[in-house]
Amino acid sequence: AQKITQTQPGMFVQEKEAVTLDCTYDTSDPSYGLFWYKQPSSGEMIFLIYQGSYDQQNATEGRYSLNFQKARKSANLVISASQLGDSAMYFCAMRGLTGGFKTIFGAGTRLFVKA
Amino acid sequence: EAGVTQFPSHSVIEKGQTVTLRCDPISGHDNLYWYRRVMGKEIKFLLHFVKESKQDESGMPNNRFLAERTGGTYSTLKVQPAELEDSGVYFCASSQDRTFSETQYFGPGTRLLVL
Repeated sequence: AQKITQTQPGMFVQEKEAVTLDCTYDTSDPSYGLFWYKQPSSGEMIFLIYQGSYDQQNATEGRYSLNFQKARKSANLVISASQLGDSAMYFCAMRGLTGGFKTIFGAGTRLFVKA
Repeated sequence: EAGVTQFPSHSVIEKGQTVTLRCDPISGHDNLYWYRRVMGKEIKFLLHFVKESKQDESGMPNNRFLAERTGGTYSTLKVQPAELEDSGVYFCASSQDRTFSETQYFGPGTRLLVL
């Protein structure tokens, strides 16, 4: 069975500092995709970044990067130079063949950026 | 290009009543997914349409939930009769292809409260 674990229910970070949001996963699929979504207080789910299991390099998108360690089954999100607008709920998610391409989500981490 | 839209944004109904949620996917996206997040828990998959056909409805909780996608465009999710435990946020997502690397774009969700 596929599973995503986010062990940090809440995180605080000072504005302009970097923060790492943890995500570990479990799957028996040989190929899979890992995603991070942001959910601000307005409620919409915003796609941030994608990492394929066979990608050799860590994914980056602007201030977001994904620290992918396949052997440890972790896919941590790193946000550099935090901004007040980064305060939101962050979900780690996975999709693979076994799951029938449905997205499996973690419980989420709420990030608070302090001025 | 318009994103995924959902209507209504909020719904408050009494136990036993019927509610119908609507999702309009991104134009041209054949794949449409319904998810929901009940209070404090993970976002869970409900079902997946490919065009007008139900590809996977393994996440539908019971037969009080009925999803349709007539004509392969917008979709509706009807809850009849609603129970207290149905309260939560119902998300719709769409994607062009059905692969593990394809990003699913989410709508803003419908917040359902059953009293």
